[in-house]
Amino acid sequence: GENVEQHPSTLSVQEGDSAVIKCTYSDSASNYFPWYKQELGKRPQLIIDIRSNVGEKKDQRIAVTLNKTAKHFSLHITETQPEDSAVYFCAASTAGSQGNLIFGKGTKLSVKP
Amino acid sequence: NAGVTQTPKFRVLKTGQSMTLLCAQDMNHEYMYWYRQDPGMGLRLIHYSVGEGTTAKGEVPDGYNVSRLKKQNFLLGLESAAPSQTSVYFCASSPFRVSGPVTGELFFGEGSRLTVL
Repeated sequence: GENVEQHPSTLSVQEGDSAVIKCTYSDSASNYFPWYKQELGKRPQLIIDIRSNVGEKKDQRIAVTLNKTAKHFSLHITETQPEDSAVYFCAASTAGSQGNLIFGKGTKLSVKP
Repeated sequence: NAGVTQTPKFRVLKTGQSMTLLCAQDMNHEYMYWYRQDPGMGLRLIHYSVGEGTTAKGEVPDGYNVSRLKKQNFLLGLESAAPSQTSVYFCASSPFRVSGPVTGELFFGEGSRLTVL
């Protein structure tokens, strides 16, 4: 089945710097790759997603890139702010008619003022 | 519009006890999921449902049972709780299949923290 690896597990940056989180997946049939943000004590929420027919997607300060050949995708956050501090999860859809999400283990991002 | 509501939010059980977590959604979503979240392990899928009356196993189904008798409710049961089931449980719903042609965003509940002693 699908396996998703996420790196790094923790990331600390200065306010205003960029942050990059990388994920790899194993199933070449996966076609949907979302990113969820979970603030401390809160529920995960979708921040951006990308489908396999697109190489890059951007939404203000966040962007996601996908390399289908290498089976990896990345989250890029520019001009980081303290409110970006959270745990970020990548995920990949499984193949087949159900298409469930398999999540990475998460990256704890800390943005220092 | 409450979204996804989980009950209870906190519970402490003794080994061997049983309990049921209730998830209710008011968005008329077809798909519902139960995940568990453990430190350093991310979110792991326990069971899911693609519609009323259906259930299926996820990544870590052992020790859990589910039921979806009504479209808006998805119940997660622990028949004989074990310390390894100490976790935060998240329910989620989605209007479409996550990998389908239309967005499959998961809407999560606030989580239920379960401790098994």
